[in-house]
Amino acid sequence: AQKITQTQPGMFVQEKEAVTLDCTYDTSDPSYGLFWYKQPSSGEMIFLIYQGSYDQQNATEGRYSLNFQKARKSANLVISASQLGDSAMYFCAMRGSGGSNYKLTFGKGTLLTVNP
Amino acid sequence: GAGVSQSPSNKVTEKGKDVELRCDPISGHTALYWYRQSLGQGLEFLIYFQGNSAPDKSGLPSDRFSAERTGGSVSTLTIQRTQQEDSAVYLCASSLRGLAVTDTQYFGPGTRLTVL
Repeated sequence: AQKITQTQPGMFVQEKEAVTLDCTYDTSDPSYGLFWYKQPSSGEMIFLIYQGSYDQQNATEGRYSLNFQKARKSANLVISASQLGDSAMYFCAMRGSGGSNYKLTFGKGTLLTVNP
Repeated sequence: GAGVSQSPSNKVTEKGKDVELRCDPISGHTALYWYRQSLGQGLEFLIYFQGNSAPDKSGLPSDRFSAERTGGSVSTLTIQRTQQEDSAVYLCASSLRGLAVTDTQYFGPGTRLTVL
């Protein structure tokens, strides 16, 4: 079974600054994938970035990057140059390589507020 | 291309009535998933369809819940004799293959179900 922990219920950041959203995970699967999703107030879950457990480099997608520390089982999302439109709920999720590996297991999310 | 679509976007029903929620996956995606998002439980996996294989129904909370996928495309989630605890946002997702850890799930906008 997989478990995702997001310890920050809410975060605040000033526009144009960088922010790190924390995510730790637990799994016994030898390989797994880690995902971050953004959910604005409109409700749609938007895929942001993916990190594979065997990837040698940290994933990056535009202003999003993943600080992946496998030994610590953490996969923190870094958003650079925050914009007002980044205000949303952010979910960390994972899927394993075991029996029911297609399921995503989600954390409880972090509500990010970007202040002007 | 078109993303995952869901209908209706909002559904208000009375306790005891049956409801049907519809999901149109991304064209070409063989895997389809239903999740439920509620305040108390976070995001929970409900059911998974992969091509013509038997679905994994292990996440369905009770036998009042059922789902089908016709022609490997459109899916319908049916809740019979709705209860107030069924009130939640029901999210549908699809992915290209379903079985690889790299396989990204893309979500629809969700259906907000309110049971009075």
